[in-house]
Amino acid sequence: GEDVEQSLFLSVREGDSSVINCTYTDSSSTYLYWYKQEPGAGLQLLTYIFSNMDMKQDQRLTVLLNKKDKHLSLRIADTQTGDSAIYFCAETSNNNDMRFGAGTRLTVKP
Amino acid sequence: DAMVIQNPRYQVTQFGKPVTLSCSQTLNHNVMYWYQQKSSQAPKLLFHYYDKDFNNEADTPDNFQSRRPNTSFCFLDIRSPGLGDAAMYLCATSRGRGLYNEQFFGPGTRLTVL
Repeated sequence: GEDVEQSLFLSVREGDSSVINCTYTDSSSTYLYWYKQEPGAGLQLLTYIFSNMDMKQDQRLTVLLNKKDKHLSLRIADTQTGDSAIYFCAETSNNNDMRFGAGTRLTVKP
Repeated sequence: DAMVIQNPRYQVTQFGKPVTLSCSQTLNHNVMYWYQQKSSQAPKLLFHYYDKDFNNEADTPDNFQSRRPNTSFCFLDIRSPGLGDAAMYLCATSRGRGLYNEQFFGPGTRLTVL
């Protein structure tokens, strides 16, 4: 089946930028999402990007999409301790259900 | 505020004892989903309802059933929970399916099986 892959762990220092990467295999992917999950909580949609875009910026968040390489990244500027969470990449295409990566656990050290 | 609500947040059951998890939504969305999420894994879709139409994933065990009595509520029934069913269960909703189907998630119910 089609896969969404992410590295499992990322550790950064407070104030640095974080970059979380994701690759996917379905070339028909239409929308790509980033969700944040804090401990013991559900998934919170952070941002999404449509496949005809290559960049989207929303305050401290920047999403970059390389459709040719099927690579998606989430950059968090000025990372804070409150950004510590698991970040899930997800994609959907037409009538397909949403497919999630396994999540990247971001740890922010003071 | 419109939202997705799951009750209870924490549920403890005994091996083999049936348990029901509840989800409700005030978004008036047509689609409701149930996911199982185990530690350090991606959420795994169990099934979804589009209105009253039930759609089961091929690898969802028969032990898992669902009911949607109306637009607002959806239940997950686990008929005979095993130790391997201990997980976080996430409910989500979306307006529809198709090109853009952003899913809104509830906070989840963490199920412990003793």
